[in-house]
Amino acid sequence: GEDVEQSLFLSVREGDSSVINCTYTDSSSTYLYWYKQEPGAGLQLLTYIFSNMDMKQDQRLTVLLNKKDKHLSLRIADTQTGDSAIYFCAVPYNQGGKLIFGQGTELSVKP
Amino acid sequence: NAGVMQNPRHLVRRRGQEARLRCSPVKGHSHVYWYRQLPEEGLKFMVYLQKENIIDESGMPKERFSAEFPKEGPSILRIQQVVRGDSAAYFCASSPSDGTDTQYFGPGTRLTVL
Repeated sequence: GEDVEQSLFLSVREGDSSVINCTYTDSSSTYLYWYKQEPGAGLQLLTYIFSNMDMKQDQRLTVLLNKKDKHLSLRIADTQTGDSAIYFCAVPYNQGGKLIFGQGTELSVKP
Repeated sequence: NAGVMQNPRHLVRRRGQEARLRCSPVKGHSHVYWYRQLPEEGLKFMVYLQKENIIDESGMPKERFSAEFPKEGPSILRIQQVVRGDSAAYFCASSPSDGTDTQYFGPGTRLTVL
């Protein structure tokens, strides 16, 4: 079945860029997703990328997709303390329906 | 526009009791999904429903768990005879009926089994 892997922790200083990486084993879906979870809260849809794109930029967020290597990354420019959260990569399984989530990357932003 | 609503936000049950978790999707969404998040883990898919139909229940435990999404009213995830291992955050998501994948999540119900 589908497997999605992320590194567990990332620590950066305020103002730096953060890059969160994700690898997946297989996806035939048209979209791949990034969600953000703050402590005790639900998941907020951050951004997504269409599978025929290599890159998508949305304000401070840049998503890169390498379909050949099955690698997805999320770059946050000018990281702020309010960006501290857990970030999940999610890949739809079998063309829709259930999402397969990575373990989540806990981003810690130090002032 | 209201997003996905879940209630209760927090639920405490003793072992052996029943837990009922409710989810109202975004208005106009007819697809509902339930996920479970165990402490320090990512989300695991449980079940995918459309109105009055279970589409995919491959992530549901075989016993004690059931889900429904009736023609009227919210989707319900029901856990009978809860055990301590059921303690987790349960998230509901909904997506539009136009076939796009994008799922919007509710705030979750945090179940604690004593």
